[in-house]
This record gives sequence, structure tokens and C-alpha cells, in this order.
Amino acid sequence: EAQVTQNPRYLITVTGKKLTVTCSQNMNHEYMSWYRQDPGLGLRQIYYSMNVEVTDKGDVPEGYKVSRKEKRNFPLILESPSPNQTSLYFCASSLRGSQPQHFGDGTRLSIL
Amino acid sequence: GEDVEQSLFLSVREGDSSVINCTYTDSSSTYLYWYKQEPGAGLQLLTYIFSNMDMKQDQRLTVLLNKKDKHLSLRIADTQTGDSAIYFCALLNTDKLIFGTGTRLQVFP
Repeated sequence: EAQVTQNPRYLITVTGKKLTVTCSQNMNHEYMSWYRQDPGLGLRQIYYSMNVEVTDKGDVPEGYKVSRKEKRNFPLILESPSPNQTSLYFCASSLRGSQPQHFGDGTRLSIL
Repeated sequence: GEDVEQSLFLSVREGDSSVINCTYTDSSSTYLYWYKQEPGAGLQLLTYIFSNMDMKQDQRLTVLLNKKDKHLSLRIADTQTGDSAIYFCALLNTDKLIFGTGTRLQVFP
């Protein structure tokens, strides 16, 4: 089944403790992206990747890192999480940047 | 940058039509999308329209694009309780997807 898989789905952690949210897609998509969803703000793009070893900042990249060493994986790294990064995070992928994006089911992060 | 606005809530009776509106500021978008988000789930692509089209119909869904007024709408005919969700419009602009704030559609019997 074609899908975008995020892990974990839920995480409660404390300020400053590094964490990684994994994202994997099995559709051989070139384009992958991370978003955060906050009430009243819709989805805002954090980082995106047009292809392997190519990553670019989105609208809200501060406090986040990504890597794209393989086509299928695009992990989101929070080196030193802070409470303002408490949010619902979505990973998405598409064949190319101009194509419709497929979304994972989301990861709810709570930073205390 | 691009600014995409939606009203926050819409409440309709089952069987009526729903119209969800979206306004935007940048007219250079190539594709305009509608996504549906059900509780606890990710975003599901409902339909999309290319910027050189005015209308697209797909079963119960009708998308209208008014480029002059920078207005996009999604009409759902014969709205059902299963249509209750948050609906996002999103505009593709140079490989970036810009989302609206989302409209929560509530369908009551």
C-alpha cells in the first residue's frame, strides 16, 4: 500500500532533550516536506527536499534540522526542543514538487 | 509572501450544499488544491484545479476559480455527516505549498 509513515505518532518530552521524528515513503517520490499545524494558522512548511541530498528551508525552519540521505526517508530533528515547538507535525511526499502531496497521519509533539 | 485566508467555521444541514471559500493574494500559483482532514488523521487530497481552468467537477465536488477576484471555492452537494472535517485550500507556488487556515465544516441532521 502506498503510504507516508511517521513515527512516533505521539511524544511528550522535556525542553532540551533531542528528538527525531522519522518519515518514510514507499512511492519512490522525489519531493518530501515537513509541516507543522497550529490552531488558526493552518499548515506551515518547515523544510522540504526536492531530491536526495537537497534540502531547503520553508517558512518556519528555526529550531529544526532535516536530512535526506536516502530517497525514502526524511527525518525531522529537534536538537534542543522548546515549548513553542509543541505542535502537530505532518510529513508529505510527492513525485515532484509540482505534483499533489500525500500526507502521513501526523505526529503530535508536546514539549514540557 | 502569499496570504491564503479561509473562514474558520461552516455549519450546514445534512442534504444541503456546502460552499467553502478561500481567498489569496498571489496570482502566480499553478495548482490550487483542496484537502480534507478528519479528526486524528492526516490530510487527504480531495481535488485540485489548474490555474488556467475556471471550474472542475468531480462527483459531489465542484471547484470554482475566479482569478480576477483571487477567489477559490469548494462546493459539496448533498452534504453528509461523513463530510464533517476541516477543509484546507492550498496553493502551489514554485514547488512550495501554501495552506489556508482551514475551515471546520460541521454537518447536523
